[in-house]
Amino acid sequence: DAMVIQNPRYQVTQFGKPVTLSCSQTLNHNVMYWYQQKSSQAPKLLFHYYDKDFNNEADTPDNFQSRRPNTSFCFLDIRSPGLGDAAMYLCATSRVEGGLGYTFGSGTRLTVV
Amino acid sequence: AQSVTQLGSHVSVSEGALVLLRCNYSSSVPPYLFWYVQYPNQGLQLLLKYTSAATLVKGINGFEAEFKKSETSFHLTKPSAHMSDAAEYFCAVSDRSNSGYALNFGKGTSLLVTP
Repeated sequence: DAMVIQNPRYQVTQFGKPVTLSCSQTLNHNVMYWYQQKSSQAPKLLFHYYDKDFNNEADTPDNFQSRRPNTSFCFLDIRSPGLGDAAMYLCATSRVEGGLGYTFGSGTRLTVV
Repeated sequence: AQSVTQLGSHVSVSEGALVLLRCNYSSSVPPYLFWYVQYPNQGLQLLLKYTSAATLVKGINGFEAEFKKSETSFHLTKPSAHMSDAAEYFCAVSDRSNSGYALNFGKGTSLLVTP
């Protein structure tokens, strides 16, 4: 089945130690998104790629970066994780026409110790 | 930017009772609207979506929602709640002003189903 896969499902990192979360898709969708969801809150968009074009949300901290080496993969890099960055990170994809639907991965739960 | 407001952060119903989760939207253009469900430590699963076709939209697991332009609402309903429906529900709108049509989510409603 075509899908969005996030690895790992659970990630523990040390305070200040760089960490990378990965997302892959077999849907061949043009757009890939990264959302941050803190406990009991709604998902918040960090940034997205439309093909190779990177779009950063205005309030996304500089600590968060992203890479999309090809259509299938997208990475979220947190350069110096703080305790406040502990959250569920959700990857999603869509075609350009958003009404056709978005597909979410199962998420990566990040813990910072 | 387009946005949605979910009324009620927690809703409790008895098993077999009607489920009603409320969502109102704010949009300057005809919106694309979605309902997602999230179980603990899981990603988001699409329940249903409105994309300007039929105003009554049927989704998975017996859920449906009606788009009412006059009320700017897109409430989610299910005639008879099951224990397995207990989860977090998010209403979302697709922001067409953004080149990537990003989703803007409501704050979520936690549904509790009691025996």
